[in-house]
Amino acid sequence: SYVLTQPPSVSVAPLKTARITCGGNHIESMSVHWYRQKTGQAPVLVVYDDSDRPLGIPERFSGSNSGNMATLTISRVEVGDEADYYCQVWDSSRDLWVFGGGTKLTVL
Amino acid sequence: QVQLQESGPGLVKPSETLSLMCSVSGDSIISTYWSWIRQPPGKGLEWIGYFHYTGSSNYSPSLNSRVSMSMDTSKNQFTLNLKSVTAADTAVYYCVRHGPRPGSGSPGERWGPGGRVIVSS
Repeated sequence: SYVLTQPPSVSVAPLKTARITCGGNHIESMSVHWYRQKTGQAPVLVVYDDSDRPLGIPERFSGSNSGNMATLTISRVEVGDEADYYCQVWDSSRDLWVFGGGTKLTVL
Repeated sequence: QVQLQESGPGLVKPSETLSLMCSVSGDSIISTYWSWIRQPPGKGLEWIGYFHYTGSSNYSPSLNSRVSMSMDTSKNQFTLNLKSVTAADTAVYYCVRHGPRPGSGSPGERWGPGGRVIVSS
């Protein structure tokens, strides 16, 4: 089965740039989606298809995907960005979703 | 605006069947694919499976033998059934709308607030 690997935690100071990685074998051949989940809330899609943003998501959120690593970049981090972030792909060979283990973003 | 709402028993006994319903407003359930995802306490997200009004479906291999999904297009609702539950099935269960592009591989564009289910005698 396809595995996505995320760091358990990332810390960043306010107004700095946070980068959350998602590793997977030849992940560049897949479309990667990212979700933000604040404590006690449902996840929200923040980036889809590697680098597209849904309506209402600030431009501070961006994504990239190359080789064996996809990255969610959050610029000018705010305290309100503190949350768990999950990457997700569609395993087309088995037609199922795969989630990464999640990364807790802490704003110092 | 599309809204999803999970409903069902918050407490299920071991070995029984967990049944959850997702009610959709602001959209037709025949418009796209729909998934169920769960999150055990303090853990990450786990995809359970998807369903489409045509009857097309696919479930996680780890749950496939215990899961079924169905739809009531007249009520704009879809249902998750998970049989022979154990304490390991205790989780928050989310219903999710696929989008913004078509297909089972499209991401989870809209999520319900989640329904908490505890498996305990």
